Amino acid sequence: AQSVTQPDIHITVSEGASLELRCNYSYGATPYLFWYVQSPGQGLQLLLKYFSGDTLVQGIKGFEAEFKRSQSSFNLRKPSVHWSDAAEYFCAVGPLRTAGNKLTFGGGTRVLVKP
Amino acid sequence: EAQVTQNPRYLITVTGKKLTVTCSQNMNHEYMSWYRQDPGLGLRQIYYSMNVEVTDKGDVPEGYKVSRKEKRNFPLILESPSPNQTSLYFCASRPGLAGEQETQYFGPGTRLLVL
Repeated sequence: AQSVTQPDIHITVSEGASLELRCNYSYGATPYLFWYVQSPGQGLQLLLKYFSGDTLVQGIKGFEAEFKRSQSSFNLRKPSVHWSDAAEYFCAVGPLRTAGNKLTFGGGTRVLVKP
Repeated sequence: EAQVTQNPRYLITVTGKKLTVTCSQNMNHEYMSWYRQDPGLGLRQIYYSMNVEVTDKGDVPEGYKVSRKEKRNFPLILESPSPNQTSLYFCASRPGLAGEQETQYFGPGTRLLVL
């Protein structure tokens, strides 16, 4: 069964500093990978996705993620964090037309931004 | 504007009182699903539907029902709500099953409290 682990429940970062959120997955084949962001009181917004090709993926809001097959990881990065980046971030593994075709989500990482 | 809508956004109810949360998408997507979000657990799929009149259980279907009579609508029904169904619920849709069509679009969420 597929699974996703986000080892960091909370991360606090200073505004302007760099940010890296970790995501490790377990999956039987090359997965589809996603990062979503949930701002307080809001729904989920897709930041970026990886299906195939270039393993460094650019997303919205200045985020990028790198797929590393050897490490089963898909870490999210941003070079300089803004106060508006305070939110909860979810990594998700997508299906390859398997039963349920569901996204499997990690538990989330809550990011706090210090002034 | 392409979107997934849910109603109500907030709901307080009592144990055993049947309720329905509606979900509608205007993107002509074939695939729709319901998730619940609980702290530390990320999002878990409740039910999904691959097309009209085609529905199936996700990871946590107990206590829920769904129907898909029209392509755009996918209501979630709690016949006899219990306090352990207090959660944040998300409806999602996506175009289809292959490649880029795997990207899911989420509604704004429905926060349910069962007393």
